[in-house]
Order: sequence, then C-alpha cells, then structure tokens
Amino acid sequence: QSALTQPASVSGSPGQSITISCTGTSSDVGGYNYVSWYQHHPGKAPKLMIYDVSYRPSGVSNHFSGSKSGNTASLTISGLQAEDEADYYCTSYTSSSTRYVFGTGTKVTVL
Amino acid sequence: EVQLVESGGGLVQPGGSLRLSCAASGFAFSDYWMHWVRQDPGKGLVWVSRISSDGGSTTYADSVRGRFTISRDNAKNTLYLQMNSLRAEDTTVYHCAREAYSSYYFDYWGQGTLVTVSS
Repeated sequence: QSALTQPASVSGSPGQSITISCTGTSSDVGGYNYVSWYQHHPGKAPKLMIYDVSYRPSGVSNHFSGSKSGNTASLTISGLQAEDEADYYCTSYTSSSTRYVFGTGTKVTVL
Repeated sequence: EVQLVESGGGLVQPGGSLRLSCAASGFAFSDYWMHWVRQDPGKGLVWVSRISSDGGSTTYADSVRGRFTISRDNAKNTLYLQMNSLRAEDTTVYHCAREAYSSYYFDYWGQGTLVTVSS
C-alpha cells in the first residue's frame, strides 16, 4: 500500500489562503468519502481537523475546510495564522487489509 | 475529557523487546477500535496496527507483522504493543489513536512515546 502523495511544504503569509493536496487512487481517496486531515505539532498529539472529506469536528476553526475531486483531496486553510504552522497529514480509508493509508505529510510555514 | 497516554518507550538494543502501553480515560474504552501509528523519519505518520473493540481481531502493517503484537485489556482501559526483534528502523515515536465509532478516521491521539533501537 503506497502512501498518499502530499507536497512536502507549503507556505503563505498571514491572512492568505493555502491549499494542501492529497493524491491517491481509486482504491482509497477516489473510492470512498473517508478522507481525514490531521494537524501535528512535533512533540504533541496529532489533532483531527477534517473528517469524511469535508466535516469539521467541534472546536476546529472554520478557516479549515476540506474537499475532494476524483483521486485528490484538498485541505484549504483560509486566513492563515501563525498558529497554523505545523505538519499536516491526510488519511484515507483503503480497500486493502490495512484499512487506512496516510499521506506523506506537508509542512506548512507561515512567512 | 478523552485522554490517551502512552508509556513504555526507551532505548533498546537491536533484536531486543519492548512493550508499549496506552492508558485510556474519559470514554468507554471497550466500545472502540484502537490503533498504533508511528512517525517514520522521512515518511511521516505510518499506520502500524489495529485491534477491534473486543480484542478478537488484529491487523498489522507488513513492516511489523510477525514481530509486533497488539493487545488490549478492557478491564484496565489499556492498549498494548509488544515489540520483539526490534530493528534500527523501528526507531521513532509511537502514538496510540482511537478510531471514530461510526466512520473511518482517528478522532483522538496520544502524544506518543519514543522508541530508540541502538547498540
């Protein structure tokens, strides 16, 4: 099971919008609406930001949004803030026995 | 408040063993599937293993199958990962994570415990 492909890094200035892509296959991202996104500050517990492609858990800011088109899912951060600087990972349900596949991770830098 | 707290990490020699624990609180532990996920250097988060809510079903990543064993004690609200025949490439931080009750994602994670395999 190959990892989902994410850009290694994305950067933006405060207030700007950025989008992180997550590309898989029809066996994972494209086949199911079970894409989730996690924010990870090193040394801390990863935090769920988006689930089931576009749903935000309670307590997550609405400047995070998710979408999907074909085999590619996206996380958009609108109105970038300093505290958004972190690593972001996508995950998808997969038809393989592992059930889950993670993305390669994207480091978001706020300039 | 849901809490997952890992422990048991440390320094071990290649070929050695270690048992990780994940103490759960703030929810009905026996109702949830649980997972171990690790941060492979240069690869990011990598799924390691999962166990069903009653412990009757387990699955492993190819990289650890036959060496690692996941288990749980629902009476103690604790998840375990027995790691045998450890290799240098197993060196990383291991997180436990709770799978959402009605969908496919991880809704809570622990902070992680560091395993270092080195002579």
